[in-house]
Amino acid sequence: AQSVAQPEDQVNVAEGNPLTVKCTYSVSGNPYLFWYVQYPNRGLQFLLKYITGDNLVKGSYGFEAEFNKSQTSFHLKKPSALVSDSALYFCAVRGSRRYQLIWGAGTKLIIKP
Amino acid sequence: EAGVVQSPRYKIIEKKQPVAFWCNPISGHNTLYWYLQNLGQGPELLIRYENEEAVDDSQLPKDRFSAERLKGVDSTLKIQPAELGDSAVYLCASSSGENTGELFFGEGSRLTVL
Repeated sequence: AQSVAQPEDQVNVAEGNPLTVKCTYSVSGNPYLFWYVQYPNRGLQFLLKYITGDNLVKGSYGFEAEFNKSQTSFHLKKPSALVSDSALYFCAVRGSRRYQLIWGAGTKLIIKP
Repeated sequence: EAGVVQSPRYKIIEKKQPVAFWCNPISGHNTLYWYLQNLGQGPELLIRYENEEAVDDSQLPKDRFSAERLKGVDSTLKIQPAELGDSAVYLCASSSGENTGELFFGEGSRLTVL
């Protein structure tokens, strides 16, 4: 079955520290992987994607994500967290149907000053 | 460039009443999606349009939900009659159809059914 797992409901990080938000997936074929961010009372915003090529992809706001095929993971990372990074983060993978996106349940990221 | 525009942002209605949400996608985006998002959860696809054709409505509860995209641009999602369990945020998204999975979302319409 196709699925996306975000094992942590919430991640707490001190400002200035590195952050990681975890995502694992299960999908047939080559995965197309995405991270989106949702600020309070706002729609989702695209952060970055992996389709092919370099396993480390860079996205908006200084975020990056590392694709690991053997571990079927696509963890979101940032070297130095900002309070303004506090938001809800969603991982998604393209399913077997061409336009189907399978979404994780989301991880709430809290950055403390 | 204007983003995806949705209205209303908030709607409070009593159960059994009808409600409609409107979406204007990014200019030139042929693909339009309606998603439902419950609090603390990921979006769930309701319907996807390619131009004016609904190409995936398998998750749309057709007994009470309907949608249209008459001229292949704006879209309306309707619920009639609304039930308590319909309280959620209804998100509209559009994409250019390049099949990369990068969707552009509106800010959503939050529905509260009393």
